[in-house]
Amino acid sequence: EAQVTQNPRYLITVTGKKLTVTCSQNMNHEYMSWYRQDPGLGLRQIYYSMNVEVTDKGDVPEGYKVSRKEKRNFPLILESPSPNQTSLYFCASGDSGAEAFFGQGTRLTVV
Amino acid sequence: GEDVEQSLFLSVREGDSSVINCTYTDSSSTYLYWYKQEPGAGLQLLTYIFSNMDMKQDQRLTVLLNKKDKHLSLRIADTQTGDSAIYFCAEIPYSGAGSYQLTFGKGTKLSVIP
Repeated sequence: EAQVTQNPRYLITVTGKKLTVTCSQNMNHEYMSWYRQDPGLGLRQIYYSMNVEVTDKGDVPEGYKVSRKEKRNFPLILESPSPNQTSLYFCASGDSGAEAFFGQGTRLTVV
Repeated sequence: GEDVEQSLFLSVREGDSSVINCTYTDSSSTYLYWYKQEPGAGLQLLTYIFSNMDMKQDQRLTVLLNKKDKHLSLRIADTQTGDSAIYFCAEIPYSGAGSYQLTFGKGTKLSVIP
């Protein structure tokens, strides 16, 4: 089954404690991206990757890092999380530009 | 920058048609999408349309694109309670070959009244 898998689904952490949200896709897609969804602000892109070892900033990259060492994985790293990074995060992947698959989301709370 | 606008709420009666509207600003957009998000779930791609098309029909869904007015609509025929969700319009503004950066609207919450 074609899917994008994020882990964890829910996470509560403390300010400053480094964390990683994993994302994996099984469709051999070249393109992957991360979004955050906040009430009243909709979906905003954090980072995206056009292929292995190729990453670029989206609209709201501050406070986040990503890496793309393999085609299937695109982890999102918060080196020093802050409360304003409390949000619902989505990973997505696509290939031709005509389709994009989204993961189920990771709800992160930073206290 | 690019902007995608949608009305925030829509209520319809079960069995009626729903029409969700979206306007976008980038006339060079290549693809336009509709996504559905059910409570507590991720986004599900419903349908998409290429910018050189006027209409696309897929079962109960009809997408209309007015490129001159930069207006996109999603019509859901015979709306069911299971269609209650938030619907997002999204575009890919053209910014070079192989660019896949989606710009989303804020979403329209569709409520279906039994």
